Amino acid sequence: SAVISQKPSRDICQRGTSLTIQCQVDSQVTMMFWYRQQPGQSLTLIATANQGSEATYESGFVIDKFPISRPNLTFSTLTVSNMSPEDSSIYLCSVEGSGGAVTGELFFGEGSRLTVL
Amino acid sequence: AQTVTQSQPEMSVQEAETVTLSCTYDTSESDYYLFWYKQPPSRQMILVIRQEAYKQQNATENRFSVNFQKAAKSFSLKISDSQLGDAAMYFCAYRASNSGYALNFGKGTSLLVTP
Repeated sequence: SAVISQKPSRDICQRGTSLTIQCQVDSQVTMMFWYRQQPGQSLTLIATANQGSEATYESGFVIDKFPISRPNLTFSTLTVSNMSPEDSSIYLCSVEGSGGAVTGELFFGEGSRLTVL
Repeated sequence: AQTVTQSQPEMSVQEAETVTLSCTYDTSESDYYLFWYKQPPSRQMILVIRQEAYKQQNATENRFSVNFQKAAKSFSLKISDSQLGDAAMYFCAYRASNSGYALNFGKGTSLLVTP
């Protein structure tokens, strides 16, 4: 298993500002995944963050809007830049468990709920 | 690209009864994982049950079981003896077997449990 801590848990932000979300894992993991969950919707993958390389972004998401850092094997940040009300969502960090490809499951943080006014 | 479809936006079940949530998926892979995750109002994603595609036996976890039909690409979740604490959003998810791939989620089914 993996224990994931995300900060902030929630925040209210002004239009045009940027906010950085932190994800801390209690064990070393190779891959970290960032998801967005818009109100009442499912989870959509934003990007995959591998330590020591540039994050890989999904279609519809770009680095300028969602820059990601992955400085080591237990930590990552996601920044939501130049926010607009459409960015109001829950942002979730996710990692593979220690079983990796054997179990296949991903573990999730509690998410960061952002509201943009 | 793999897609996951949950055709039931909402379901309701009485306490102690049984309910089945539907999920279908599309993939050209032969080896993969399927999952059901639960998301209560606290928004923590909790794994309910997993199924490896190469296993013919349906997975079971206490009151939760799946009906995995690989040829039909169907993966339904059965909740027996439903409890009030089962009320949540349930997401069906697919993951390719290679490590490094993310989960693809369905749109979710909101389960209401009535006393």
